[in-house]
Amino acid sequence: GENVEQHPSTLSVQEGDSAVIKCTYSDSASNYFPWYKQELGKGPQLIIDIRSNVGEKKDQRIAVTLNKTAKHFSLHITETQPEDSAVYFCAAKDRGSTLGRLYFGRGTQLTVWP
Amino acid sequence: AAGVIQSPRHLIKEKRETATLKCYPIPRHDTVYWYQQGPGQDPQFLISFYEKMQSDKGSIPDRFSAQQFSDYHSELNMSSLELGDSALYFCASLIAGGYNEQFFGPGTRLTVL
Repeated sequence: GENVEQHPSTLSVQEGDSAVIKCTYSDSASNYFPWYKQELGKGPQLIIDIRSNVGEKKDQRIAVTLNKTAKHFSLHITETQPEDSAVYFCAAKDRGSTLGRLYFGRGTQLTVWP
Repeated sequence: AAGVIQSPRHLIKEKRETATLKCYPIPRHDTVYWYQQGPGQDPQFLISFYEKMQSDKGSIPDRFSAQQFSDYHSELNMSSLELGDSALYFCASLIAGGYNEQFFGPGTRLTVL
C-alpha cells in the first residue's frame, strides 16, 4: 500500500511568519492529496486538497504544491495566526478509484506564538 | 452546512464488553469510511462501504464488524473489547462520482477499562 511520510513532527512559528509542512508518498499512482487540520478533541477538517494534474493550489493564506516526479507535496501557510495552531495531517488517496481509502502522514503539531 | 454525525461522542466500556458506534453521513453521501486514531497517532483506515456494500477493508480486527444501512448510515460493532481498542473512531463520508473529498465527523472517543 501507500506510504506517506510527513515532516516536521513539530513546528513552532511566530505569529505572522510562514509555516511549511512537507510530505512524500510512495505510490506513483496516487492522484489525490488532501490536507487536514485537527484541533484537540475534534475530527480532521479538510482545509485544502490537490489532484495530480495540478502543480499548485491556493486558498487565501493556504497553498499546496505538488511535485509528481519527486512524489512530494507541501502545505504553505502564510501570515500565521494563533488560531492556526493545531495538528496538520497530509494524506494520499489509494490508487484506483474515487472510493479509495486515505493514507495519512504522522502529523505535524503546529504552534503559532502570539 | 450539514456535517457527518457520530454517536455517541464518548463511550466507556469494560474489557470483553461490546460497543456499537453509529455514523450518519452528510445527506446524499453514499460512501462511508471508518478510521481509528490512537493517542498521538494518525488515523488508520478500518473499513468502508459504498451503497451498502463493503468497498474496502483495512486493518480491522476480526472482533469488529460493520455495515451500512439503506439510509446510508453505518454502524461499527466491536466485541470482546480490549484495552488497546481505546481510541478515537472517526467516520468520514463521500459522494461517489463527486470530487474526492472525505469529510470527517467529530469522532467517538472509546475508553476501555
